[in-house]
Order: sequence, then structure tokens, then C-alpha cells
Amino acid sequence: EDKVVQSPLSLVVHEGDTVTLNCSYEVTNFRSLLWYKQEKKAPTFLFMLTSSGIEKKSGRLSSILDKKELFSILNITATQTGDSAIYLCAPGGSQGNLIFGKGTKLSVKP
Amino acid sequence: EPEVTQTPSHQVTQMGQEVILRCVPISNHLYFYWYRQILGQKVEFLVSFYNNEISEKSEIFDDQFSVERPDGSNFTLKIRSTKLEDSAMYFCARGPGPEFYGYTFGSGTRLTVV
Repeated sequence: EDKVVQSPLSLVVHEGDTVTLNCSYEVTNFRSLLWYKQEKKAPTFLFMLTSSGIEKKSGRLSSILDKKELFSILNITATQTGDSAIYLCAPGGSQGNLIFGKGTKLSVKP
Repeated sequence: EPEVTQTPSHQVTQMGQEVILRCVPISNHLYFYWYRQILGQKVEFLVSFYNNEISEKSEIFDDQFSVERPDGSNFTLKIRSTKLEDSAMYFCARGPGPEFYGYTFGSGTRLTVV
């Protein structure tokens, strides 16, 4: 059975802190892993990772995939209150459907 | 302007009624998906739809559910005889193909069954 485990489930930090969010997975016919940010409604796309060891960066966010150890991390540096959200990890298989983890709820305090 | 529009944004229905949720992708993509998220729980895959046919469905997607692309544009999810436990956010997503680049979610429909 496909499984996605995210940790921690919740995290409270202060503005300016750096956070690391973890995602481990076991997915049949794995193809890619996607990270999303969910605030009020729909998940919004952050990164798609397909190859091991290649860091993707977007501003203060970065992410990397390890296909041998079956995990990915999402880093956020110099956190801001606007980073407060649930961060979802979603590996995808050959059929195109995503398997979501429960998410990490990040709260950034001023 | 959102790439994937869903209507309605919120629907309240009585138990046992049928509901139709609509998704209008702006770009011309072949792959469409429905997901749901029960309040406080994780996003769950329901069904994928390719070339006007179901290509994959989860255990959740039983005979109560059906999908259609009736006019080549709108993509609908029909839920027959709704139950209280069908209350959830329903998200449509679209993709350019069996890859994940550009996998975009719609704004969602909140379904409340009373």
C-alpha cells in the first residue's frame, strides 16, 4: 500500500527562523514528488522533483529528493508570517494520481 | 485568472440528493483528476480521466460517483444519493499528460451534506 509520512505534523517558529520539513514515501511506480502549500483552500504548487540530488530553489524555499532513501525535504529560510500554511508532500505514480501526506502545519509568529 | 475554475464554490445539499460539481480548465489538457479533502484530513485521490475515459480510480470512487466531460470542456463529478460523510472539499486538477509538471488544482467546491 502506498504510504506518505510527513514530519513534523506541526511546527511553530518565529519570523527569521529556518525550518526543514520532512517527507518519506513508499509509492508503487514512483515518478515524481510534488510539494504544495495549502492556505485556505486549494493546494498551490511549489516544486516538482524527479531526480535525486538536484536541489530546486524558489526564493527562500528549496527542496531536494533522495530516491534511494525515499524521502524529500523542504527548507524555508528567513521565515515570514506569510509562510504560515500547511505544506503537503505528494509523490506520484505512473497513473498520474498524487498520494498526499497529512501535511505539516507551519505557524510563523511575528 | 485561475487556470482551473470550479463551480459552485460552496454547495449545501440534503442527504440523499444528487449533486454535480463542475470544473472548467482553461487550457486544453487531456488529463483531469478529482480529489477530495474531508475537513482536517489529507487530500485523497478519487479518479483520473484521460481522453474522455476513466483511467484510474480509488476505492473511494464507488458506484455513487461518476465523471463526465459532457461538452468537451466542462469536467463534472456527479455524486448520487449524497451521504453526510460526503461533506468535504472537492478539488479538480488538470495535467498536461502522465507527467506532473504543471499539475494544477482548482479552487475547490465545499460540499456540505445536511
